[in-house]
Amino acid sequence: QKEVEQDPGPLSVPEGAIVSLNCTYSNSAFQYFMWYRQYSRKGPELLMYTYSSGNKEDGRFTAQVDKSSKYISLFIRDSQPSDSATYLCAVPYNFNKFYFGSGTKLNVKP
Amino acid sequence: DGGITQSPKYLFRKEGQNVTLSCEQNLNHDAMYWYRQDPGQGLRLIYYSQIVNDFQKGDIAEGYSVSREKKESFPLTVTSAQKNPTAFYLCASSISVQRAGPYNEQFFGPGTRLTVL
Repeated sequence: QKEVEQDPGPLSVPEGAIVSLNCTYSNSAFQYFMWYRQYSRKGPELLMYTYSSGNKEDGRFTAQVDKSSKYISLFIRDSQPSDSATYLCAVPYNFNKFYFGSGTKLNVKP
Repeated sequence: DGGITQSPKYLFRKEGQNVTLSCEQNLNHDAMYWYRQDPGQGLRLIYYSQIVNDFQKGDIAEGYSVSREKKESFPLTVTSAQKNPTAFYLCASSISVQRAGPYNEQFFGPGTRLTVL
């Protein structure tokens, strides 16, 4: 079993839709959870991170952690074509190393 | 502008050749990393370095080598021993463990796409 699992998609939605991207993880000791966004042929960039359980909101983006089910989610409200990218969840497992999900490719159609 | 640069953007290699991918950062970060990204497999760690003149193997180091002679530079050599080198290679950096919180945000370069002919 991989430490972090993510549905690869692709996910195609119309502009303005609410998008839900999800990952599961295996180790209950994980405390920090991160979402990276990667545009085509570019390097990933950190979008959001959360600590422990609960929600964190940043504009149209909300990151949610459910530690009881080892489930992390990223919600995008009012999705835009510019949100079309691959979204990777990541979990640091020591100070310098991360487990990355395989990424979910999102396409927002105008 | 602070950031990470990788060169070249595209690289073609013949069977049996070694090639070196460049990674430079001007963020004054101590730690640097090399990842390989294949479709459907996410990012896999090849090598990482926490300090100049020191580096450690990641999860898939076989067929690769690195050096860290300068803080700002961390070149990756893909040797002929790497059986399936065609992939997208990403370099990243982060601040030192001692100055960070419980995790280090990693900043990524734009990547190098290597194709074996």
